[in-house]
Amino acid sequence: DAGVIQSPRHEVTEMGQEVTLRCKPISGHNSLFWYRQTMMRGLELLIYFNNNVPIDDSGMPEDRFSAKMPNASFSTLKIQPSEPRDSAVYFCASSLDTLYNEQFFGPGTRLTVL
Amino acid sequence: GENVEQHPSTLSVQEGDSAVIKCTYSDSASNYFPWYKQELGKRPQLIIDIRSNVGEKKDQRIAVTLNKTAKHFSLHITETQPEDSAVYFCAASLGSARQLTFGSGTQLTVLP
Repeated sequence: DAGVIQSPRHEVTEMGQEVTLRCKPISGHNSLFWYRQTMMRGLELLIYFNNNVPIDDSGMPEDRFSAKMPNASFSTLKIQPSEPRDSAVYFCASSLDTLYNEQFFGPGTRLTVL
Repeated sequence: GENVEQHPSTLSVQEGDSAVIKCTYSDSASNYFPWYKQELGKRPQLIIDIRSNVGEKKDQRIAVTLNKTAKHFSLHITETQPEDSAVYFCAASLGSARQLTFGSGTQLTVLP
């Protein structure tokens, strides 16, 4: 298995532009998580899906952020409009829907908003 | 919700010495405590975990201890090597839930 796949790996955009980050979870995993990592705030959970359904989006910072999971093998995190404070590394992780599950992280997308 | 505090934020040790990282959690119902290692520019990866029905778990040079009464757990690395240099994150969750709440991370540097 290729593991969790994220694209793009790096994204540089200008303030006000729309940004879409993509994630393909490990095949067979039915839980998917989006995290944001910054020096100031550490590793923050943004949203969690189970069987393609958003379960907890309390970590989504504001309405500019939205996430979808149209099927078991694909998820997107969209920021519209982007702001410089959104600059961070965004990780997608997936796991089996079992107790005491290991979360497998993707390589991350480094987002820079100018 | 759950709150996890992690100390210290940075730790430097001489190669061959031991390193200890400590975490406390707030929700007494939490019952799963994994530790992740993140090397520079890489993704976090699970290195060891412990469930609340166990007090200690070892895997070669790393071990984790859990004190449910005090609501704290610790990572112990013995005979440290330069490749142990990384950021280590503790986390906690309810086993019935899927979300992890992460600590703020500890930058471990092993000096040759």
